[in-house]
Amino acid sequence: QSALTQPRSVSGSPGQSVAISCTGTSSDVGGYNYVSWYQQHPGKAPKVMIYDVTKRPSGVPDRFSGSKSGNTASLTISGLQAEDEADYFCCSPAGPHIWVFGGGTKLSVL
Amino acid sequence: EVQLVESGGGLVKPGGSLTLSCAASGFNFNNAWMNWVRQAPGKGLEWVGRLKSKTDGGTTDFAAPVKGRFTISGDDSKNTIYLQMISLKIEDTAVYYCIKEGYWYMGVWGKGTTVTVSS
Repeated sequence: QSALTQPRSVSGSPGQSVAISCTGTSSDVGGYNYVSWYQQHPGKAPKVMIYDVTKRPSGVPDRFSGSKSGNTASLTISGLQAEDEADYFCCSPAGPHIWVFGGGTKLSVL
Repeated sequence: EVQLVESGGGLVKPGGSLTLSCAASGFNFNNAWMNWVRQAPGKGLEWVGRLKSKTDGGTTDFAAPVKGRFTISGDDSKNTIYLQMISLKIEDTAVYYCIKEGYWYMGVWGKGTTVTVSS
């Protein structure tokens, strides 16, 4: 199972919006409405930011939003803040019994 | 508070074996689906495997690179799951995270334990 495709890096200035894409196939992203996104700061464990394509867990700011079209999912962060600088990973089921992650995107807040 | 604490990581030679533990607290362990995800140094996340709750059959699933070499088991009396790894390869070097699965997402993560496979 191949990893989902994410851009290696994106950047934005404080207050701006950025979008991170996650491209898969009809066997994973396109076949399930269960894409999730994870934020990871250096040396820390990942934390779920979005699940079920668009849902935010309690405590995640509404600046974070998710969407999906066909085989590509996206995470949008609006009103960028310095603490948003981190690595972001998407994840999708790739069948009833396996999961696949994206390669990760480094977000820099300039 | 839901908490997962991994242990058991360390340095092992290629071909060797190691068992990781994940002690869980703060939730009904008997109904939980538990996963292991790893992250090689400077790399992305890679799903390793999953143990379904006993109430859902207690079956396991594994990623292709570890199938046949890794097994996952659980001890409900200790609220602990284990990742047993044999025939370890250099490419198994990673931080291993234990995760309580939400409904179709990786809900709560432990802090991880480091496995280094090197001669």
